[in-house]
Amino acid sequence: GAVVSQHPSRVICKSGTSVKIECRSLDFQATTMFWYRQFPKQSLMLMATSNEGSKATYEQGVEKDKFLINHASLTLSTLTVTSAHPEDSSFYICSARDPKGGVYNEQFFGPGTRLTVL
Amino acid sequence: QKEVEQDPGPLSVPEGAIVSLNCTYSNSAFQYFMWYRQYSRKGPELLMYTYSSGNKEDGRFTAQVDKSSKYISLFIRDSQPSDSATYLCAMSANDYKLSFGAGTTVTVRA
Repeated sequence: GAVVSQHPSRVICKSGTSVKIECRSLDFQATTMFWYRQFPKQSLMLMATSNEGSKATYEQGVEKDKFLINHASLTLSTLTVTSAHPEDSSFYICSARDPKGGVYNEQFFGPGTRLTVL
Repeated sequence: QKEVEQDPGPLSVPEGAIVSLNCTYSNSAFQYFMWYRQYSRKGPELLMYTYSSGNKEDGRFTAQVDKSSKYISLFIRDSQPSDSATYLCAMSANDYKLSFGAGTTVTVRA
């Protein structure tokens, strides 16, 4: 199956700093990637949809200026958490859609990034 | 009301038992129904995918969708300790955005 990687897997930062998380599709080209946030024992909440070469589409309630998304190539999307605060601590997961995936284009998920803001 | 409701459990069963999981939803536009398995601190992996109503079987896993009742189920037969994980239901209309349930944590006791 298709593989999606995320880097870093875990990051701890001080309040006020910015953190960049990378999401890569390793063996397919992903025109669309998705960013989710998951709090402990809660579901995945879609934050934004990232389309290669265009601006990301953010879900209601997600601050565009705080969560910067860049999808510069067909295999890489980045999420930058700017001026991070303790309440931004969460598990961030990306997924990538394979446009050649058939009738329904399955999303392949990365392993996630655990962000802790002190 | 949440768009997708799923009992978070936890659910504990002995090895070999049938695990029964379910979700209800409110959005009648959903047409694609999925079950994902998520191990601790890992990303979800797709287990089953169903389009519209009906049953689908894959090895020890059976997925059922009843669109008239807005109810989906996942059954795991002959459960194994390696099936211990969190199971998430997910649904989508035509725009590929997934709406997830809260996830049910399952433990299969050896």
